[in-house]
Amino acid sequence: QVQLVESGGGVVQPGRSLRLSCAASGFTFSSYGMHWVRQAPGKGLEWVAVIWYDGSNKYYADSVKGRFTISRDNSKNTLYLQMNSLRAEDTAVYYCARRTYYYGSGKRLGDGMDVWGQGTTVTVSS
Amino acid sequence: EIVLTQSPGTLSLSPGERATLSCRASQSVSSSYLAWYQQKPGQAPRLLIYGASSRATGIPDRFSGSGSGTDFTLTISRLEPEDFAVYYCQQYGSSFFTFGPGTKVDIK
Repeated sequence: QVQLVESGGGVVQPGRSLRLSCAASGFTFSSYGMHWVRQAPGKGLEWVAVIWYDGSNKYYADSVKGRFTISRDNSKNTLYLQMNSLRAEDTAVYYCARRTYYYGSGKRLGDGMDVWGQGTTVTVSS
Repeated sequence: EIVLTQSPGTLSLSPGERATLSCRASQSVSSSYLAWYQQKPGQAPRLLIYGASSRATGIPDRFSGSGSGTDFTLTISRLEPEDFAVYYCQQYGSSFFTFGPGTKVDIK
């Protein structure tokens, strides 16, 4: 079945680094763009970053630009998020999500995050 | 950056009632890039609607989306017990994605 499984979360001190992974299975990973989305405790969803299916384009939320790097290894069906210079406000559950484009009548109808992992928790604290 | 505002913050309704959730954007959003998600406690979000009005795979037809420009609506025609959750709208524009703050639909 189609599945995303995140790993790599944990407790880290402010200023340190952490790398998250997202293992994909059940679909052709190399054909899909991928997102990272996070959710601070008791808060709403915050988009973090997106990477194109072939890694050719990457975009970031202003809150993480310059500190986080999204990447992928299509040979390993794995998405990554390298998080540097971590801050207390980066504490959250981090989800990876698949980006799917929808088409109809020969045109693009839209896109959405249609498959999500269960999330991995990152706590930044001294 | 486009900011999304959702109202109301909380909607208290009974099973069987109709729910109308609003999402307003600070500037015009392409309808193709407006989506709605449902999230239940302790679970990952689930895609409900893409392209402002198209239901994602497996989503019951009691969920419908509408709107264009800066004003979008998610309607649940008759609330089922499993529909009580938080709902987020999300847009994509200029290579950035943003979520609204969410509307919680709880049991009255």
